[in-house]
Amino acid sequence: NAGVMQNPRHLVRRRGQEARLRCSPMKGHSHVYWYRQLPEEGLKFMVYLQKENIIDESGMPKERFSAEFPKEGPSILRIQQVVRGDSAAYFCASSLGLAGTQETQYFGPGTRLLVL
Amino acid sequence: TQLLEQSPQFLSIQEGENLTVYCNSSSVFSSLQWYRQEPGEGPVLLVTVVTGGEVKKLKRLTFQFGDARKDSSLHITAAQPGDTGLYLCAGGALVGNQFYFGTGTSLTVIP
Repeated sequence: NAGVMQNPRHLVRRRGQEARLRCSPMKGHSHVYWYRQLPEEGLKFMVYLQKENIIDESGMPKERFSAEFPKEGPSILRIQQVVRGDSAAYFCASSLGLAGTQETQYFGPGTRLLVL
Repeated sequence: TQLLEQSPQFLSIQEGENLTVYCNSSSVFSSLQWYRQEPGEGPVLLVTVVTGGEVKKLKRLTFQFGDARKDSSLHITAAQPGDTGLYLCAGGALVGNQFYFGTGTSLTVIP
């Protein structure tokens, strides 16, 4: 059973370009979470999605960032018009049910975004 | 504002020594999780504690959740080089779906 997969593992973009980060959850998992990790900081929650629905996007910047989890295919985190401050590691996690006391979040290996 | 503060931020010890990492907050959490993250990889869950005062042991690792469910500690006995990594605590929000991650403790165990 493959774990959470993220691609690309590394992404370089110039300022103003778009970045698309993909996350394939573990088989059978319908809950996906996106986090951002800056150097020497912990992970910051961005968004929580179930299939075709955004449940909690309280951690997402209001502009330029969007996320989706379509019925078919991976979850996508999209960053438009990237700026240098967007450079970070972006992690996706999935769980069978709502992550918490009963369910475990399984993390992917992350996508390292570098904005030049 | 960081909800969860971890200390120390960096720790370098000799193989065989004991150590304790702390995770503190002024907020109450529904649960507290500890993860270990290796360079270039995502965090891997070590343990979840739910009840105030709960103690869980995982081989040489001992995890404790504070009585008030605001803080936690991770104690490693006889550390080994394989314990090297970034240790993260994460508190589950009482309401909602968020997990709040701590600042992390970077542990290096020298052979």
